[in-house]
Amino acid sequence: DTGVSQNPRHKITKRGQNVTFRCDPISEHNRLYWYRQTLGQGPEFLTYFQNEAQLEKSRLLSDRFSAERPKGSFSTLEIQRTEQGDSAMYLCASSLAAGTYGYTFGSGTRLTVV
Amino acid sequence: AQSVTQLGSHVSVSEGALVLLRCNYSSSVPPYLFWYVQYPNQGLQLLLKYTSAATLVKGINDFEAEFKKSETSFHLTKPSAHMSDAAEYFCAVSYSETRRGGATNKLIFGTGTLLAVQP
Repeated sequence: DTGVSQNPRHKITKRGQNVTFRCDPISEHNRLYWYRQTLGQGPEFLTYFQNEAQLEKSRLLSDRFSAERPKGSFSTLEIQRTEQGDSAMYLCASSLAAGTYGYTFGSGTRLTVV
Repeated sequence: AQSVTQLGSHVSVSEGALVLLRCNYSSSVPPYLFWYVQYPNQGLQLLLKYTSAATLVKGINDFEAEFKKSETSFHLTKPSAHMSDAAEYFCAVSYSETRRGGATNKLIFGTGTLLAVQP
């Protein structure tokens, strides 16, 4: 068990470019979550997968955001036409079927849009 | 709807002193409650969780929290602060909702409390 892995750790991009982040959850966890955290705030829920199915998307997730989890394993979060307001830490978490087991978070990807 | 309020965005204690970080929750159903710690530029590490078993929950690094239903509180304490405890602490409630395909158990976080430990 190597925990939840996120890549890259840091990403600096120019406004208008597309970026993609990857999350590798704990192998036996079938639930995967994406959160966004801006400076001085707690993480905010973006989207949730159970296996390969995306079951919920937050209203925070505009049409420029898309997430996938092919085959129920790793997940990708893509942001198209990035804006300065997208600058944040993007966190991935995974859990077992019942959320009471807790959620294991990755170290996050810090995105800076210049 | 579930929500979490953390009182005090910044708390400063002396090394060796008691740590008390406050968290109040709002939930229409019995909640699952969590405390996470975040070090700079890191992800979140689970300190402890309440899942309707014992009301006094012990976690890692001598942290503990007590679930008080009458006060809707889940305050985090540690008897003696260490310099390495300086970090940001987040309280969270697990929000469960039944949806097509299954239930979602997403976490709703508070805004966090930054703990400083003075030598």
